[in-house]
Amino acid sequence: GENVEQHPSTLSVQEGDSAVIKCTYSDSASNYFPWYKQELGKRPQLIIDIRSNVGEKKDQRIAVTLNKTAKHFSLHITETQPEDSAVYFCAASTRGYSTLTFGKGTMLLVSP
Amino acid sequence: KAGVTQTPRYLIKTRGQQVTLSCSPISGHRSVSWYQQTPGQGLQFLFEYFSETQRNKGNFPGRFSGRQFSNSRSEMNVSTLELGDSALYLCASSEGTGATEAFFGQGTRLTVV
Repeated sequence: GENVEQHPSTLSVQEGDSAVIKCTYSDSASNYFPWYKQELGKRPQLIIDIRSNVGEKKDQRIAVTLNKTAKHFSLHITETQPEDSAVYFCAASTRGYSTLTFGKGTMLLVSP
Repeated sequence: KAGVTQTPRYLIKTRGQQVTLSCSPISGHRSVSWYQQTPGQGLQFLFEYFSETQRNKGNFPGRFSGRQFSNSRSEMNVSTLELGDSALYLCASSEGTGATEAFFGQGTRLTVV
């Protein structure tokens, strides 16, 4: 089955810096890659997603890049703010269905 | 549009007991997936139901089971509870046709003592 590796497990940055979280996947048939943000005690919420026919997608301060050949994708957050502090999960959709295989998460801490 | 609703929010059970968790998806969504979230293992997929049929299953023992009703509401059941089953159980609803956004419920926090 699909396996998703996520790095780093923790990331500390200063407010205004950029943050990058990287994920690799194993199943070349995976074609949908969402990123979720989970604040303490809350549900995971989708922040951005990308499909395999697209190499990059941007939404204000957040961007995701996908390299299908290398089977890795990354989340980029620019101009980080304290409210960006949370756990971020990458995921891959197996066989294009609703099943998601998640990475183990990255705890991002943005210090003022 | 109402979000995904999970009940109950918290549960405390004793080893050996069984438990049933409920998930009401967003209106119109036909797919419900269940995930177990623990600090050590992250989010692990349990199973997915689509139009009352189990469409996909993760690597969990047979003590974990589920079902989906005609109104797309889903239940998961865990029998013969073990201490290691203590976790946050999340359900996610989506349209289920192709790769679309999955919306999570707030989860049920299960503690087995």
